[in-house]
Amino acid sequence: DAGITQSPRHKVTETGTPVTLRCHQTENHRYMYWYRQDPGHGLRLIHYSYGVKDTDKGEVSDGYSVSRSKTEDFLLTLESATSSQTSVYFCAMGQLNEQFFGPGTRLTVL
Amino acid sequence: KNQVEQSPQSLIILEGKNCTLQCNYTVSPFSNLRWYKQDTGRGPVSLTIMTFSENTKSNGRYTATLDADTKQSSLHITASQLSDSASYICVVTLNTGGGNKLTFGTGTQLKVEL
Repeated sequence: DAGITQSPRHKVTETGTPVTLRCHQTENHRYMYWYRQDPGHGLRLIHYSYGVKDTDKGEVSDGYSVSRSKTEDFLLTLESATSSQTSVYFCAMGQLNEQFFGPGTRLTVL
Repeated sequence: KNQVEQSPQSLIILEGKNCTLQCNYTVSPFSNLRWYKQDTGRGPVSLTIMTFSENTKSNGRYTATLDADTKQSSLHITASQLSDSASYICVVTLNTGGGNKLTFGTGTQLKVEL
């Protein structure tokens, strides 16, 4: 987890509310990623960023948006949370061949 | 069907024993394969990475093997310790024309008991 943190670490919210998760890195990596991890599934890529203001969709991007206004911060927003978005969310940094993961955020949508 | 299948799904062993975890993949064209260790409540941490030309890679008590012909990899843990209790995830990098893509296995949950 060195050099990359996530906040909050746990969050419970209600269906229909907006939620923003924050990822912060101190390693000046150009690439950052958001994944979700669910039982029975491998980690799945939601969105990634290849630079400030440069982002692209991953395989499960519906219902999520991201922003990167500074190199060190990558935000994941659920505009209107749904129960299917209950998951553990991981942020990662670095090249695809050498990714370093944050500690994760457990999100529960009631 | 997941393109990266891991077995067993879970495993319990006694401290000091050895174990082997399996990873079969159908991802092609293949770029590299990595094994991660994920402790409960933490993010995955890389153990080994192998390209298609490498057969084996060690990291302390962890030894990964790769057979690119049969598309199989294994992770062998020697003299297990309680701290080895974790989920072990196999990740294959697919080399697409538009860039690389990671495919994650669902992991093997290992528990080491006294």
